[in-house]
Amino acid sequence: NAGVTQTPKFRVLKTGQSMTLLCAQDMNHEYMYWYRQDPGMGLRLIHYSVGEGTTAKGEVPDGYNVSRLKKQNFLLGLESAAPSQTSVYFCASSSAAGGAETQYFGPGTRLLVL
Amino acid sequence: GQNIDQPTEMTATEGAIVQINCTYQTSGFNGLFWYQQHAGEAPTFLSYNVLDGLEEKGRFSSFLSRSKGYSYLLLKELQMKDSASYLCAVMDSNYQLIWGAGTKLIIKP
Repeated sequence: NAGVTQTPKFRVLKTGQSMTLLCAQDMNHEYMYWYRQDPGMGLRLIHYSVGEGTTAKGEVPDGYNVSRLKKQNFLLGLESAAPSQTSVYFCASSSAAGGAETQYFGPGTRLLVL
Repeated sequence: GQNIDQPTEMTATEGAIVQINCTYQTSGFNGLFWYQQHAGEAPTFLSYNVLDGLEEKGRFSSFLSRSKGYSYLLLKELQMKDSASYLCAVMDSNYQLIWGAGTKLIIKP
């Protein structure tokens, strides 16, 4: 049981390049989330999904797109990377939206945009 | 707007007790979470409070006062491995987590 995994772990991009971050979970969770974490700030929600085939915008969605074609996978895309997107990206999943249900986090992807 | 406030950094001594405070202003309230995050790692769940009062779990306890918009995390018998950031998060009316910036806890021998 691997929990939540993310690939890649680290990436350097040039401004304008594109990339896709992959998140996979093996806990059969319905809900999946993409966050970014920047120094001095709390985790900020980029996009989330409440089930296979669904996606919704979070607090900071601009410049990102997502897809949830399979229940276990949640992809985050950057079409044209900008230096402001340098951050640590965390994927999380949970079996429900509310209550005491915990969000389980992946190990993170460190992205540097030059 | 929505806001979660917690101290940026705290220092404590091994074996001692430390209290990390969190105040919040959010649109709705569906529970408050505390997570631990070691440097370079993912956040991991510590505690959940939805009703007023104290929840105890081993060396860690978490307290909530909804009327005051206030919570604290109490860590007893501090160990060096407790050196980490502690994140406070509130679930708002849309069932989304609003996160504080975290409190970096430094444990000294």
